[in-house]
Amino acid sequence: DAGVTQSPTHLIKTRGQQVTLRCSPKSGHDTVSWYQQALGQGPQFIFQYYEEEERQRGNFPDRFSGHQFPNYSSELNVNALLLGDSALYLCASSWGQGAGYTFGSGTRLTVV
Amino acid sequence: SQQGEEDPQALSIQEGENATMNCSYKTSINNLQWYRQNSGRGLVHLILIRSNEREKHSGRLRVTLDTSKKSSSLLITASRAADTASYFCATDEWGAQKLVFGQGTRLTINP
Repeated sequence: DAGVTQSPTHLIKTRGQQVTLRCSPKSGHDTVSWYQQALGQGPQFIFQYYEEEERQRGNFPDRFSGHQFPNYSSELNVNALLLGDSALYLCASSWGQGAGYTFGSGTRLTVV
Repeated sequence: SQQGEEDPQALSIQEGENATMNCSYKTSINNLQWYRQNSGRGLVHLILIRSNEREKHSGRLRVTLDTSKKSSSLLITASRAADTASYFCATDEWGAQKLVFGQGTRLTINP
């Protein structure tokens, strides 16, 4: 039973560019959440997708956007990259509310 | 924003000893979860304790929750070198549809 799959594993982008990160949820999970984790910090919630719609959003600018597809997979897009966007981006899937989340291994984004 | 405050920020013990980490939070919660993270990779879900539960066990892990004090503790008994990792508590608030993480505790087990 595959867990959460994220791609790519590592990515280096130049300031001002755009990036797309991808996530496939665990089998049977219908909800995908995205988190940003800066070095030495705990993960910060970006947004959550359910039934192809953004259900909840954290305190992140509109440069961060996402999408969920009918097969429950999801993308995170970041436009106009800043140096401060360098972080580990984690995808988590779940089913229903009040349950544990399954996290992927993350995408390490470096903005230079 | 981070809700959880974890204590200590770093902990170093000898293999075989017990490790205790504490977490405090600010709002009413549906449940509280503990996760482990190795070397900045993905988070591994360890245990979930609901707001109406006071204690929960899973293998060498014991979690307590005191909703009156808005605090939780994670005890790892008979620690092993493989337990070396960062440990995070995360709160799941009613209707919030998200986890709010603490800053984490870096645990080092010395052989």
